[in-house]
Amino acid sequence: KAGVTQTPRYLIKTRGQQVTLSCSPISGHRSVSWYQQTPGQGLQFLFEYFSETQRNKGNFPGRFSGRQFSNSRSEMNVSTLELGDSALYLCASSLGGQLASYEQYFGPGTRLTVT
Amino acid sequence: AQSVTQLDSQVPVFEEAPVELRCNYSSSVSVYLFWYVQYPNQGLQLLLKYLSGSTLVESINGFEAEFNKSQTSFHLRKPSVHISDTAEYFCAVINNGGSQGNLIFGKGTKLSVKP
Repeated sequence: KAGVTQTPRYLIKTRGQQVTLSCSPISGHRSVSWYQQTPGQGLQFLFEYFSETQRNKGNFPGRFSGRQFSNSRSEMNVSTLELGDSALYLCASSLGGQLASYEQYFGPGTRLTVT
Repeated sequence: AQSVTQLDSQVPVFEEAPVELRCNYSSSVSVYLFWYVQYPNQGLQLLLKYLSGSTLVESINGFEAEFNKSQTSFHLRKPSVHISDTAEYFCAVINNGGSQGNLIFGKGTKLSVKP
């Protein structure tokens, strides 16, 4: 099975712009979670989508949003970029279901640099 | 709130020496526990997991971790490390039985194996 793929791998944006990141989960996986990784804050949960619905959300401002499509692919959008948004954004997929999404499998990440 | 503490931010060891990476979690509910490894410029790879059953779990590359409920710990050990084990290791927890699919991560431990 192909793993989790994320596009693009690297991105450079300017403050104030917006950006969209894409994630394709492992085939058959219905849950997609997004995490932000920075040297200072470590790995922080952004949100989780399951069957096109946001099931769980972390403590991030409304500038961070996401969605999931019927094929389970997910996109994450950040509007009005700030310098502090520079980070590695990781997507993880899991089977999902009614219970917690155990065994999350991560993609390689998108490295976002905001200048 | 649930939290994960990795007591050592950096662990330098010589090749073929044993190593222990410590992880403690705080939770009043039952949890599932994971160790992930991150190599430079890559995403996270699931190393091993504790979901239920035997409290000692092993990975295919010689790592093991033991779930200790009374001490709320899930330390990672390897009896003899290799240069290729140099990476950052993250301990993570997820609530057992909930519908929230987010992993709570520790800050990570950078393992540096020297020849």
